[in-house]
Amino acid sequence: GQQVMQIPQYQHVQEGEDFTTYCNSSTTLSNIQWYKQRPGGHPVFLIQLVKSGEVKKQKRLTFQFGEAKKNSSLHITATQTTDVGTYFCAGDYGGATNKLIFGTGTLLAVQP
Amino acid sequence: EPEVTQTPSHQVTQMGQEVILRCVPISNHLYFYWYRQILGQKVEFLVSFYNNEISEKSEIFDDQFSVERPDGSNFTLKIRSTKLEDSAMYFCASGTRPQRKETQYFGPGTRLLVL
Repeated sequence: GQQVMQIPQYQHVQEGEDFTTYCNSSTTLSNIQWYKQRPGGHPVFLIQLVKSGEVKKQKRLTFQFGEAKKNSSLHITATQTTDVGTYFCAGDYGGATNKLIFGTGTLLAVQP
Repeated sequence: EPEVTQTPSHQVTQMGQEVILRCVPISNHLYFYWYRQILGQKVEFLVSFYNNEISEKSEIFDDQFSVERPDGSNFTLKIRSTKLEDSAMYFCASGTRPQRKETQYFGPGTRLLVL
């Protein structure tokens, strides 16, 4: 079946350090989306990657989509305390409804 | 900016009771979804809905679950006879046209606790 795995499960960094989370799908994706969820909150859309090898940047966040469209990464440069939360990748395998298969998430803790 | 809304924000119920979770999707969206998230776990797809019918459902979405769009704005999830393991955060999401690879927007969720 379609599965999306993320590593690491948890990352604790000092403020100012970089952070990366990796996402792997068992099968080829149509596109991949990244969401951030603050504690007690709901998933908030960050970005969508569609093309093979695509790289997108949002300020300190860099998103990559692998050439085979089976893996992706999110890199945060110089973390801030406001970056705290769980980062989920969500795979879209296409089809009529484009349901999202969420990854297991990476919880980021940032120590001031 | 338009957003998905959900009511109630919290619901506590006794095992075996029926619950209805309500969602108001973004007004020009055509595709609607329910997801759930058990505490500390990942978000799981339950069901998608388009053109007044279910278009896809997961194995979690058994006969105890149903969805309805009773009018032009609301989208509901009903759990007929709740079980302890139904305790979770339930998120509604809506989107425009998946064929255009547009994203889904999530509501704030309903936290359901079954006692």
